[in-house]
Amino acid sequence: AQSVAQPEDQVNVAEGNPLTVKCTYSVSGNPYLFWYVQYPNRGLQFLLKYITGDNLVKGSYGFEAEFNKSQTSFHLKKPSALVSDSALYFCAVGATNYGQNFVFGPGTRLSVLP
Amino acid sequence: EAGVTQFPSHSVIEKGQTVTLRCDPISGHDNLYWYRRVMGKEIKFLLHFVKESKQDESGMPNNRFLAERTGGTYSTLKVQPAELEDSGVYFCASSPLTGTVGNSPLHFGNGTRLTVT
Repeated sequence: AQSVAQPEDQVNVAEGNPLTVKCTYSVSGNPYLFWYVQYPNRGLQFLLKYITGDNLVKGSYGFEAEFNKSQTSFHLKKPSALVSDSALYFCAVGATNYGQNFVFGPGTRLSVLP
Repeated sequence: EAGVTQFPSHSVIEKGQTVTLRCDPISGHDNLYWYRRVMGKEIKFLLHFVKESKQDESGMPNNRFLAERTGGTYSTLKVQPAELEDSGVYFCASSPLTGTVGNSPLHFGNGTRLTVT
């Protein structure tokens, strides 16, 4: 069975500082990994994904994530945080076989302080 | 391109009543998913349609929940009768049909916040 863990409920960072939101996963076979962001009263928006290839993937709004197979991690990063980055972030793992569903982590609330 | 739309955005009902949630996926998206987030916890899978067929309904909590997707377009999720523990945010998501479901990002609606009192 697939599972996703986000060990931090809340991450606080000062504007302009680098940010990291952590994610670890468990899946049989090759993982398809995703990050989504949810702003208040909105649906989840896709940020980036790792399918194969380069371990560092770049996504929307200056975010990037690094796939680490040995540590089964897919941490989300941004070099310089903005106040507008404050939101709820979800890591998700997709199925390696057709017909299975996505599994989401519990979410991490990011607060960027001015 | 219009996004995934969900109706209503909020619903407050009493225990024992019936509620029907609607989802209109992005036009042309054959995959349609229902998810639920209860009390700030993780987002949990409910079911997955491919066109009008239920591909996976392993996440449906019990037989009080009924999902349909007649004609393979919009979908409805009915809760009858509603219980207190059904409160939460119900998300619908869609994606195009590709060779491998697992690597296509999902497009989410804004969700329906259901409160059962």
